[in-house]
Amino acid sequence: NAGVMQNPRHLVRRRGQEARLRCSPMKGHSHVYWYRQLPEEGLKFMVYLQKENIIDESGMPKERFSAEFPKEGPSILRIQQVVRGDSAAYFCASSPSVMNTEAFFGQGTRLTVV
Amino acid sequence: AQTVTQSQPEMSVQEAETVTLSCTYDTSESDYYLFWYKQPPSRQMILVIRQEAYKQQNATENRFSVNFQKAAKSFSLKISDSQLGDAAMYFCAYRRGATNTGNQFYFGTGTSLTVIP
Repeated sequence: NAGVMQNPRHLVRRRGQEARLRCSPMKGHSHVYWYRQLPEEGLKFMVYLQKENIIDESGMPKERFSAEFPKEGPSILRIQQVVRGDSAAYFCASSPSVMNTEAFFGQGTRLTVV
Repeated sequence: AQTVTQSQPEMSVQEAETVTLSCTYDTSESDYYLFWYKQPPSRQMILVIRQEAYKQQNATENRFSVNFQKAAKSFSLKISDSQLGDAAMYFCAYRRGATNTGNQFYFGTGTSLTVIP
């Protein structure tokens, strides 16, 4: 059973471009969480999704950021018109149910905005 | 709001010795879970140990153990017989008890552990 897969591992974007980060949860997991880790900081919650639904997006910036988890395919975190401050590591975690006490993390995508 | 504080940005330990990493948290809830995650340079978040707040007994996983003081809202990690492979960033994390709004984690800012040969 493969773990949580994130791609790409590294992504470089110029200011103003769009960034798309993908997360394939573990098999059988229908709950996905996105976190952002700024340099020298811990992970900060961004959004929680179930298949086809956004459950909690209280940690998402109000503009330029969006997330989806379609019925088929990976979860996507999309950042439009990236700025230097978006440079960070973005982690995805998945769990099989909301009652599960543990989340399994991917290796993250490091986004660098130049 | 839940907050997790790690007051030690960096720690070092001699190989084979014992080190304790500190963590405090703030919550008004009674049902919650606490975790220590290890993040090596590969960036992979690796679960080290987990503690349920309703359990009085401190969790132990081989060389890793915690000192959970619920009243003081303290959750320290002790690493015994430190090994070179223990060198990493360590994050303390809090999660509310089961809730239909999900199990998002709240993380501290991390402690960078160096193991000296």
